[in-house]
Amino acid sequence: DAGVIQSPRHEVTEMGQEVTLRCKPISGHNSLFWYRQTMMRGLELLIYFNNNVPIDDSGMPEDRFSAKMPNASFSTLKIQPSEPRDSAVYFCASSKGTSGRGELFFGEGSRLTVL
Amino acid sequence: EDQVTQSPEALRLQEGESSSLNCSYTVSGLRGLFWYRQDPGKGPEFLFTLYSAGEEKEKERLKATLTKKESFLHITAPKPEDSATYLCAVPNNAGNMLTFGGGTRLMVKP
Repeated sequence: DAGVIQSPRHEVTEMGQEVTLRCKPISGHNSLFWYRQTMMRGLELLIYFNNNVPIDDSGMPEDRFSAKMPNASFSTLKIQPSEPRDSAVYFCASSKGTSGRGELFFGEGSRLTVL
Repeated sequence: EDQVTQSPEALRLQEGESSSLNCSYTVSGLRGLFWYRQDPGKGPEFLFTLYSAGEEKEKERLKATLTKKESFLHITAPKPEDSATYLCAVPNNAGNMLTFGGGTRLMVKP
């Protein structure tokens, strides 16, 4: 299996621009998670989908952030408009069932720099 | 609110120098504790799950243990390839989302 695939790996954009990050989870996994990692705040959960349905988005920082999962093999995280404080590495992870079993499979991340 | 605290933030070891990393947690009811390894530029990779106090898991030079308030990741005779950031995490009450600690960055010098 190819694992969780994220794109782009790196994105540099200017403040105010729209950013779209993409994720393809592992086939057969029905839970998908978006995390954000920074030096200051560590790894933070943004949103969790189960069977393509958003279950908990309490970690989404504000209305500028939105996430969708139109089908079992694709999810997007969108930031509009982007701000310099959004600079971070964004990870997508998937698992079979809930993450209570602990075994999340992470992608390699999308490093976002907002100038 | 669940809290997970890891110490130290960074640890430098000589090759072969054994040590332990700590993960302390405050949760309403423990539903497991998980250890991950993260290499630079990569996503975290699952290592262990521990479910009850007294439980131990081993993998190569790593051994994870769990008490009612904390978990330790013991590294025996580490090698440079063990250098990474080690993260611990606990699930929420519903058991469907993980909260991660800040991690311990381990550096093993030859």
